[in-house]
Amino acid sequence: GDSVTQMEGPVTLSEEAFLTINCTYTATGYPSLFWYVQYPGEGLQLLLKATKADDKGSNKGFEATYRKETTSFHLEKGSVQVSDSAVYFCALNSNQAGTALIFGKGTTLSVSS
Amino acid sequence: EPEVTQTPSHQVTQMGQEVILRCVPISNHLYFYWYRQILGQKVEFLVSFYNNEISEKSEIFDDQFSVERPDGSNFTLKIRSTKLEDSAMYFCASSETSGDEQFFGPGTRLTVL
Repeated sequence: GDSVTQMEGPVTLSEEAFLTINCTYTATGYPSLFWYVQYPGEGLQLLLKATKADDKGSNKGFEATYRKETTSFHLEKGSVQVSDSAVYFCALNSNQAGTALIFGKGTTLSVSS
Repeated sequence: EPEVTQTPSHQVTQMGQEVILRCVPISNHLYFYWYRQILGQKVEFLVSFYNNEISEKSEIFDDQFSVERPDGSNFTLKIRSTKLEDSAMYFCASSETSGDEQFFGPGTRLTVL
């Protein structure tokens, strides 16, 4: 079945460091890909998405490019802030009617000043 | 900005009791979902609902679980006889179309004693 694999955390960075969180997927067909963020004590918020190959999703300085050839959707940010500390989830949706989001295990990011 | 709301934010119950978790999806959305997140683990899909019927469910969603849209605005998850292992954060989500981004509520933390 479809699945998402994320790099294991936690990831600990200093403010202004470069961030990469790796995400690869296995899916039949052409899924949509998402990054969700969960700040401490809160629910899930959509960070960015891409719906087809070579699309780049971006938001709040974060970017991710849908790479079909490597089945990847790595999350990057050029300069992280303390406020970016959260758990980041990569997810996919098969685009069939009413189907589930399939999440990776999540990567905890901790940014210190 | 429209948002998904959930009540209560925290529910404590005794093992074997029935609980009903409530959600109000975004008003023009047609697809509704329940997910759960056991503490420290990944977000897991439970069920999706469209046109007043279940469109997909996971193996977690056994006979103890049921969903209902009792009126034009609420979407509920019932657990008939709670078990200790049902303790988790339960997230409701909705989407306008299939395959579109899903908007999550803030979650209900269920604690089964």
